[in-house]
Amino acid sequence: DQQVKQNSPSLSVQEGRISILNCDYTNSMFDYFLWYKKYPAEGPTFLISISSIKDKNEDGRFTVFLNKSAKHLSLHIVPSQPGDSAVYFCAGIQGAQKLVFGQGTRLTINP
Amino acid sequence: DTGVSQNPRHKITKRGQNVTFRCDPISEHNRLYWYRQTLGQGPEFLTYFQNEAQLEKSRLLSDRFSAERPKGSFSTLEIQRTEQGDSAMYLCASSPYMNTEAFFGQGTRLTVV
Repeated sequence: DQQVKQNSPSLSVQEGRISILNCDYTNSMFDYFLWYKKYPAEGPTFLISISSIKDKNEDGRFTVFLNKSAKHLSLHIVPSQPGDSAVYFCAGIQGAQKLVFGQGTRLTINP
Repeated sequence: DTGVSQNPRHKITKRGQNVTFRCDPISEHNRLYWYRQTLGQGPEFLTYFQNEAQLEKSRLLSDRFSAERPKGSFSTLEIQRTEQGDSAMYLCASSPYMNTEAFFGQGTRLTVV
């Protein structure tokens, strides 16, 4: 059962524009959602999180939006920079237990 | 604080051999997690510890897999009688108790030939 889904395997965005990465989930018991960024040959690095009782969280160039009724969250990166090229994973967590990850979206920022 | 450390970074083994990986979490982090990642997929949960107690094991963790965290510090993941399907990146992560953010190591890439 795929509790967290990232339906876009890849996304290509021009430098300076907005990148929008999407994530859908089925488990309504998730307390928090997190976004991780992964470069090749490295472990995932935490980026930003959002509580299930919030609908928006912002940290610098990164903003996460949560739509609980649609069971959908998105990560906005503005402006996109070449260093943002990586694989992005969204994950849900319930009761401070384990993280459940989506399949990931490969973001490529073009100069 | 040097972060989560995993050894070895790479392991090539013949089918049927046993392998053991080590993870040193961030000091004072109570929780330690093991994940497995295959190409094109997100990390899949295998097991986690709170201190030395193993609190949950995934159905993915067959009886060929065993994990320990004997003194609540470092952890080992052993795979017995490796199969080609075990080829993957094995990731370890740690977090403070009840904190949601987990910090990952760089992983151990296993190749079974």
